[in-house]
Amino acid sequence: NAGVMQNPRHLVRRRGQEARLRCSPMKGHSHVYWYRQLPEEGLKFMVYLQKENIIDESGMPKERFSAEFPKEGPSILRIQQVVRGDSAAYFCASSPPAVTGELFFGEGSRLTVL
Amino acid sequence: QQQVKQSPQSLIVQKGGISIINCAYENTAFDYFPWYQQFPGKGPALLIAIRPDVSEKKEGRFTISFNKSAKQFSLHIMDSQPGDSATYFCAPGAPSNDYKLSFGAGTTVTVRA
Repeated sequence: NAGVMQNPRHLVRRRGQEARLRCSPMKGHSHVYWYRQLPEEGLKFMVYLQKENIIDESGMPKERFSAEFPKEGPSILRIQQVVRGDSAAYFCASSPPAVTGELFFGEGSRLTVL
Repeated sequence: QQQVKQSPQSLIVQKGGISIINCAYENTAFDYFPWYQQFPGKGPALLIAIRPDVSEKKEGRFTISFNKSAKQFSLHIMDSQPGDSATYFCAPGAPSNDYKLSFGAGTTVTVRA
């Protein structure tokens, strides 16, 4: 499977716990974008990363949320001390080095906070 | 600040009919105008996209029409099929902001057999 891989597909956490969402981009892609989708809404940009660099995190809440894309391994979106309002689908997208706007999305990770 | 307005919110069309979805934008820096298709429980998949150097692009039953002066672009689904029932998003982007696509709110299309 050469597509964008996200895991876990579903994650349940209690309030106050941590959630870690992982994303492996398509082969040859070096740019990763994270988006959040609330029920019945469009996708909202959170953060844009290249290998070992955060390029733009303007859409990410200032507290509790962090993202990384290490030299080796998947990109990780980390949510600390989750609250019910964090319940959403989190999508990762990747693009090739020549950024043209064409993003390839994964199947998403659906976080439910109890 | 809402950069992208998509309409209608939902539509129902008979099999074989035409579905038309519109997207209006404000940011004149946008130079990439895609439509994404999303099925329940799945991620968005790029359906068709256009650059501002052309006014129309057709791929199979799907056509994008682009009106630069009006800052609008639309998706036409010809001969709609039940398998086209999905949510469609416009998501324009600009190189000046690294193509962080600005998604519309989505249009849920239901094609009745």
